[in-house]
Amino acid sequence: GEDVEQSLFLSVREGDSSVINCTYTDSSSTYLYWYKQEPGAGLQLLTYIFSNMDMKQDQRLTVLLNKKDKHLSLRIADTQTGDSAIYFCAETVNSGNTPLVFGKGTRLSVIA
Amino acid sequence: DGGITQSPKYLFRKEGQNVTLSCEQNLNHDAMYWYRQDPGQGLRLIYYSQIVNDFQKGDIAEGYSVSREKKESFPLTVTSAQKNPTAFYLCASSMGWGAGELFFGEGSRLTVL
Repeated sequence: GEDVEQSLFLSVREGDSSVINCTYTDSSSTYLYWYKQEPGAGLQLLTYIFSNMDMKQDQRLTVLLNKKDKHLSLRIADTQTGDSAIYFCAETVNSGNTPLVFGKGTRLSVIA
Repeated sequence: DGGITQSPKYLFRKEGQNVTLSCEQNLNHDAMYWYRQDPGQGLRLIYYSQIVNDFQKGDIAEGYSVSREKKESFPLTVTSAQKNPTAFYLCASSMGWGAGELFFGEGSRLTVL
């Protein structure tokens, strides 16, 4: 079945870059997503990348996609304490005919 | 402001009682979803609805029930048959079926005493 894998924890110092990694299984995924969840709240869409792209940059966020290895990463430049949250990777499967498949989430802790 | 509202935010229940979690959206979205979140488990899909008056079981539907009588409302009932109901429950909606941008509510934390 479909599976999205992420490491569970990441700790970085304020001002450093954070890189959160994800591997997915459905080679036909058309879109891949990054969602952010702050403590005690719901998820919010952070960014997404279309499968025919290798990279997408949006201010401090850079998404890299390696389709050959089915690997997705989210880089946060100049990480701030406000970036502390859980980050979920998600993929479309079955050409969008079934709901998004989410990874288990990576908890990012930013140390001041 | 458009959005998705879950209530209550915190709920305590005695074992053997059913409880209903409310989810309302004013985004005019067709699709709605219920997820359960446990520490280290990520999000697990309970039920989803592509359109009003229709819904399907997700990965962990046992012990839960839903209804979708109105487009804006998708309540979730946690029944006494659910063996381990203590969790954080998240409701979401999307504009259409297959849309990747889900809009989430703030969640409801259910604790069974």
